[in-house]
Amino acid sequence: SQTIHQWPATLVQPVGSPLSLECTVEGTSNPNLYWYRQAAGRGLQLLFYSVGIGQISSEVPQNLSASRPQDRQFILSSKKLLLSDSGFYLCAWSAGDRLYGYTFGSGTRLTVV
Amino acid sequence: GESVGLHLPTLSVQEGDNSIINCAYSNSASDYFIWYKQESGKGPQFIIDIRSNMDKRQGQRVTVLLNKTVKHLSLQIAATQPGDSAVYFCAEMSSNDYKLSFGAGTTVTVRA
Repeated sequence: SQTIHQWPATLVQPVGSPLSLECTVEGTSNPNLYWYRQAAGRGLQLLFYSVGIGQISSEVPQNLSASRPQDRQFILSSKKLLLSDSGFYLCAWSAGDRLYGYTFGSGTRLTVV
Repeated sequence: GESVGLHLPTLSVQEGDNSIINCAYSNSASDYFIWYKQESGKGPQFIIDIRSNMDKRQGQRVTVLLNKTVKHLSLQIAATQPGDSAVYFCAEMSSNDYKLSFGAGTTVTVRA
């Protein structure tokens, strides 16, 4: 069966520090991968998606970047965090070519102080 | 989308009562719909889905209704329990691009 792992679960970082959040998927090949951000009490905002290794699409302009160095690995990064980067970050995967939902990871709560 | 910055609508339900959560979708080409449940501090979890060739689908204590004429989706939860307290998101997908679009979400609070 397919599983998705996301870490760390919580992170407190100072303003101006770098960020690296990692997401890996097991049990499937060539998944579509997604990074979402969710502010407290708000909806899901799609940040990046990837349909293959090295292929990244950005949905909104921001201080963050994403990379996909391996088929089942998706990384969210920042060189210098801003206070506004605080939020709940969710990774998700999908088969991409089927009418089927996305499966989400457990999320990372990022607090920039 | 626009819903990202909005406070989520809320629904308060007495334990044991039935809950109905509504969602309006915008893309007439959408042919697949999902309801997700998100508990505090966790990722959204799949509850139930329905394809556009159906208008009703039932799961365990949950029923999804689809009205394509008015582009409306609803989730009914029977005999609501405290564990049902969560945020519920509807989502739509079209076989044109297989991209999932999420609704704003509804916060459900179950009163004991």
